[in-house]
Amino acid sequence: GESVGLHLPTLSVQEGDNSIINCAYSNSASDYFIWYKQESGKGPQFIIDIRSNMDKRQGQRVTVLLNKTVKHLSLQIAATQPGDSAVYFCAVHLTQKLVFGQGTRLTINP
Amino acid sequence: NAGVTQTPKFQVLKTGQSMTLQCAQDMNHEYMSWYRQDPGMGLRLIHYSVGAGITDQGEVPNGYNVSRSTTEDFPLRLLSAAPSQTSVYFCASSSSLGYTFGSGTRLTVV
Repeated sequence: GESVGLHLPTLSVQEGDNSIINCAYSNSASDYFIWYKQESGKGPQFIIDIRSNMDKRQGQRVTVLLNKTVKHLSLQIAATQPGDSAVYFCAVHLTQKLVFGQGTRLTINP
Repeated sequence: NAGVTQTPKFQVLKTGQSMTLQCAQDMNHEYMSWYRQDPGMGLRLIHYSVGAGITDQGEVPNGYNVSRSTTEDFPLRLLSAAPSQTSVYFCASSSSLGYTFGSGTRLTVV
């Protein structure tokens, strides 16, 4: 199976700084990795994904890094804004199942 | 609008009652799944389906039944609700392009 762990349950950053949220997974056969943002009372919202044949993928203000050697995944958010406040989940796909980490709550300080 | 539709949005049940949470998607996705999310936790997989007529158990299947008679619909049944099933339930459908989540059903069992 697969298990997904998270390094920090909460992260507080200053507005305008960069945020880095980390995630670790257990099964080296996992082939697809997704970061979700969840705001209060809403469902998970897709941010960015990466497949196991890649090490890095960039979107608008977000970058996902995948280190398969140590089974580690990170989400970088550039120039963090108040609207980035939410809980962020990594999810790891293995054999038709998506396994979620417990989430990191990102708080933005003005 | 294309996507995943969940009904109802809120439900209160008494212990022992039964109910069905509805999930429908109009994206012609073969894969659909149900998750539950408890406070401060990530999503945990209950059941999933890779196509009409095919279902399988996820991480926390006990107390829940599913069926998949059509591609569009994937209902989740609670046969005898228990307080431990108080949670927020999310349905998702997916293709090779990624996962789409519904907005959730908040269920309280008293």
